[in-house]
Amino acid sequence: DIQMTQSPSSLSASVGDRVTITCRASQGIRKDLSWYQQKAGKAPKRLIYAASSLQSGVPSRFSGSGSGTEFTLTISSLQPEDFATYYCLQHNIYPRTFGQGTKVEIK
Amino acid sequence: EVQLVQSGVEVKKTGESLKISCKASGYTFSTNWIGWVRQMPGKGLEWMGIIYPSDSDTRYSSSFQGQVTISADKSISTAYLQWSSLKASDTAMYYCARGAVPEYWGQGTLVTVSS
Repeated sequence: DIQMTQSPSSLSASVGDRVTITCRASQGIRKDLSWYQQKAGKAPKRLIYAASSLQSGVPSRFSGSGSGTEFTLTISSLQPEDFATYYCLQHNIYPRTFGQGTKVEIK
Repeated sequence: EVQLVQSGVEVKKTGESLKISCKASGYTFSTNWIGWVRQMPGKGLEWMGIIYPSDSDTRYSSSFQGQVTISADKSISTAYLQWSSLKASDTAMYYCARGAVPEYWGQGTLVTVSS
């Protein structure tokens, strides 16, 4: 199975900050990576697919980049509603695998 | 509008069997992959497996192979996740999600297993 390693596991940031989360795959997965946001008590929501394609309806402050084994989710200016946990998911091969998550907290 | 509506909260005893459901609407059920994701209390997301209802092609994570069974009934646009003998460690929220790259999600089914 492909292992997905996210960093950091948590971070504290202020409204307006630029936030970057990294996901590393144990083997090359081309651009077959998605990012999800999960708020407490809610189902996950897809933000990015195919590494850099923005899901319809998702604010443009979210962006994704990377290919192969190294990927990044960036929030250009953190908003109050962005405090949540973020997960990457590789969709190159089965079984799919999630990263362990990054919790974004208010500083 | 795509909707996935999951069955309700389950409280079971260890060793009991269970089948939870995910009813889909708003799209062609048989030609879209639908999968299951586990989230144990306070923990991250774990991909369990997925099924293509048209031909019942099913893929499992090695962590869940043999522990659960994923199935689907095309006639009623419903996917299922079942256990034959529950363990306390099966206590979790379970989500269904449409797509080989999950896009639409159900609201989750909370399963609590105790002795």
